[in-house]
Amino acid sequence: QSALTQPASVSGSPGQSITISCSGTNNDVGAYNYVSWYQQHPGKAPKLMIYEVRNRPSGVSNRFSGSKSGNTASLTISGLQADDEADYYCSSYTTSTSGVFGTGTKVTVL
Amino acid sequence: EVHLLESGGGLVQPGGSLRLSCAASGFTFSSYAMSWVRQAPGKGLEWVSGISASGGTTYYADSVKGRFTISRDNSRNTLYLEINSLRDEDTAVYYCAKDVRLLHFLCYFDYWGQGTLVTVSS
Repeated sequence: QSALTQPASVSGSPGQSITISCSGTNNDVGAYNYVSWYQQHPGKAPKLMIYEVRNRPSGVSNRFSGSKSGNTASLTISGLQADDEADYYCSSYTTSTSGVFGTGTKVTVL
Repeated sequence: EVHLLESGGGLVQPGGSLRLSCAASGFTFSSYAMSWVRQAPGKGLEWVSGISASGGTTYYADSVKGRFTISRDNSRNTLYLEINSLRDEDTAVYYCAKDVRLLHFLCYFDYWGQGTLVTVSS
């Protein structure tokens, strides 16, 4: 199972919105609505930000939103803040009853 | 409060073996699928293996199939990962993670441990 494809880096100024894409195939992203997104700060464990394409866990800011079209999922962060600077990973359940993560995107707040 | 605590990592020679453990608390362990996810130094996340809530079904990434064995003891609220024939590329922080949905294995995780480092080197 090949990793899902994400841009290596995305940047934005405080207050702006950014979008991170996550490209997969008919066997993962396109097959189910089981796409999730994680935020990881250096030296820390990943934190779930979005699950089932667009659902936010309790406690996650509504500045984070998810969507999907075909084989590509997206995470949008609006009103960018300094603490949003981190690595972000998408993930999907696959038709092989396994999981696959994206290549990861480093978000920089300018 | 949900808590996952991994242990068992360390320095091991190529070809060696190791057993990782993950002690769970704060939720009904026997009702949730669990997984191991690893992260090599400076690299991205890689899903390694998963197990159903009952322990009756196991799942593996192709990269570890035949070398890794996942198991769980629901009476002890503990998840395990037996790693054999270790290779340099197995060097990573290994996280245990809890599936979000009750009784389903869907590979998205609302709680993670702090990780345990496995270093394969001679």
